[in-house]
Amino acid sequence: GNSVTQMEGPVTLSEEAFLTINCTYTATGYPSLFWYVQYPGEGLQLLLKATKADDKGSNKGFEATYRKETTSFHLEKGSVQVSDSAVYFCALSDLDRSGGSNYKLTFGKGTLLTVNP
Amino acid sequence: NAGVTQTPKFQVLKTGQSMTLQCAQDMNHNSMYWYRQDPGMGLRLIYYSASEGTTDKGEVPNGYNVSRLNKREFSLRLESAAPSQTSVYFCASSGRQGGLPNYGYTFGSGTRLTVV
Repeated sequence: GNSVTQMEGPVTLSEEAFLTINCTYTATGYPSLFWYVQYPGEGLQLLLKATKADDKGSNKGFEATYRKETTSFHLEKGSVQVSDSAVYFCALSDLDRSGGSNYKLTFGKGTLLTVNP
Repeated sequence: NAGVTQTPKFQVLKTGQSMTLQCAQDMNHNSMYWYRQDPGMGLRLIYYSASEGTTDKGEVPNGYNVSRLNKREFSLRLESAAPSQTSVYFCASSGRQGGLPNYGYTFGSGTRLTVV
């Protein structure tokens, strides 16, 4: 079955530090990969995605590259801000390639990031 | 604003009580999902509905039932609540945009349920 393993937190950084959150996956098919972010008291929001090997997803200064050879999708940001404090989830899906809109996401356990001023 | 609306936001139940968590989306999405979030466990899928009129079990369905009332609404019912069901519950939906699958789920803001 599908599974996602991401680095355990919590991660605590100072403002403007470099961020890496590791994510590796196991999938039987050819999945799409996602990072979601959850701010305190809120639901999850899609941060970025990549749908095929070597694709780079990016949003709000965050980046992640789909590496099929290492089955990884590590999240990076060059300079974090206090407002980036949140829980980050790596996820994968096996897309219904017949064109349907249904697919199930498999999530990692989440990594809590705290950024101090 | 368009999105997924969940009610209630907070609930405390006594063991053995029943309740229904409500979820509605206004994005004309075909698929809807219920997840629970527990510390150190990430999100686990309880039930999902690929389209109106269909429902299927996810990873942790025991103790729950669901109803896809129409395309907009997908409810989750706890018939006899147990302390192990203390969790944060999220509803989500997914659909198509511009004729292509929308790869992102849209999540509600969650229901915090405590069973004492």
